[in-house]
Amino acid sequence: NAGVTQTPKFRVLKTGQSMTLLCAQDMNHEYMYWYRQDPGMGLRLIHYSVGEGTTAKGEVPDGYNVSRLKKQNFLLGLESAAPSQTSVYFCASSPMTSGRAWNTGELFFGEGSRLTVL
Amino acid sequence: SQQGEEDPQALSIQEGENATMNCSYKTSINNLQWYRQNSGRGLVHLILIRSNEREKHSGRLRVTLDTSKKSSSLLITASRAADTASYFCATAPLGSARQLTFGSGTQLTVLP
Repeated sequence: NAGVTQTPKFRVLKTGQSMTLLCAQDMNHEYMYWYRQDPGMGLRLIHYSVGEGTTAKGEVPDGYNVSRLKKQNFLLGLESAAPSQTSVYFCASSPMTSGRAWNTGELFFGEGSRLTVL
Repeated sequence: SQQGEEDPQALSIQEGENATMNCSYKTSINNLQWYRQNSGRGLVHLILIRSNEREKHSGRLRVTLDTSKKSSSLLITASRAADTASYFCATAPLGSARQLTFGSGTQLTVLP
């Protein structure tokens, strides 16, 4: 039972290069999220998805794009990497909660992808 | 902007002592959650407390929630060296469906 798997775990880019981070979950969760974690700032939400084929912006979406073509996968793309995007990126998933539709339940996190942009 | 703010930023205690971490937030919430992160690893969910609950227990963990003060506390009793980690509170704000907003965390060090 893998849970949430992120690839790659480490990557070094030069400014202006593009790349895609892949998140895969095997728990049949409806909701998926991409966060970035920077020292002293906790986690900030980049984009999220409430179901296959849907995406929405989070707190810090600029410079990133996402796609959720399959329920189990959530891709995070950087079209033109900048040094400010040096960070640790975490993917998370969450099951649909019963009861009130707006209730956010427990998130299951991947182990992170460490990206350095030179 | 950060919804939750943990206090203290860092805490160092001896094994066997209790550790208390506090979280304050700004807007009305649906629920509040606490997560743990070991160095270099992903976050792991510890406990969720709903806005209509005041206290919740899970093993050596005790969480309280005071919605009038917009604050929560996490108590770890009889701490162990293995409890050394960063602890984050996360809030599910009302009206922000299916999103969690994380604080900047408390780094707990338990000395053997």
